[in-house]
Amino acid sequence: DTGVSQDPRHKITKRGQNVTFRCDPISEHNRLYWYRQTLGQGPEFLTYFQNEAQLEKSRLLSDRFSAERPKGSFSTLEIQRTEQGDSAMYLCASSTPSIAEAFFGQGTRLTVV
Amino acid sequence: DAKTTQPNSMESNEEEPVHLPCNHSTISGTDYIHWYRQLPSQGPEYVIHGLTSNVNNRMASLAIAEDRKSSTLILHRATLRDAAVYYCILSVNNNDMRFGAGTRLTVKP
Repeated sequence: DTGVSQDPRHKITKRGQNVTFRCDPISEHNRLYWYRQTLGQGPEFLTYFQNEAQLEKSRLLSDRFSAERPKGSFSTLEIQRTEQGDSAMYLCASSTPSIAEAFFGQGTRLTVV
Repeated sequence: DAKTTQPNSMESNEEEPVHLPCNHSTISGTDYIHWYRQLPSQGPEYVIHGLTSNVNNRMASLAIAEDRKSSTLILHRATLRDAAVYYCILSVNNNDMRFGAGTRLTVKP
């Protein structure tokens, strides 16, 4: 297992377009998290899955954002009608209930022009 | 939400110990103290965590105050590769980890 994988690593899109990011967690990790990070700030929590169930969503996650985790494996984060303020690094992490350590991917950097 | 307070930045000399402080005066009895670090252009990386007792691992040590209202991450011999942003986080489980701005550690050769 090579760790948490995110795709794509970089995405440039025009304002108003929809984008989708993918996260593949470490095998058998039933917890999966999405964070957003802007320059100079710490990661901001967006949402959290346990298996396929989305258990928590931040108020930061507007109705333009949706996340899914079909079958409790990989997850997708979609942003509809992108705005310049959506430009950020989107981080995915996974863990299991039995360990305290969460493993992060290298992130997807989104630039909205 | 429980919150942590960390200095914005710290400097250290290479091969010297570094003590990174964190205040968490509103910590509850079930909150674990986690430390993560983020190297440039990388996702955060787990460093250490603890509940009440001091903890040691291959990366660092965590000293927790008796009243649990503060803790200190100790890097015993800083290297240039330890230059990163260090985050102190309170969490019952990983599902409620909330990152602050962290402490930017600069290591001077």
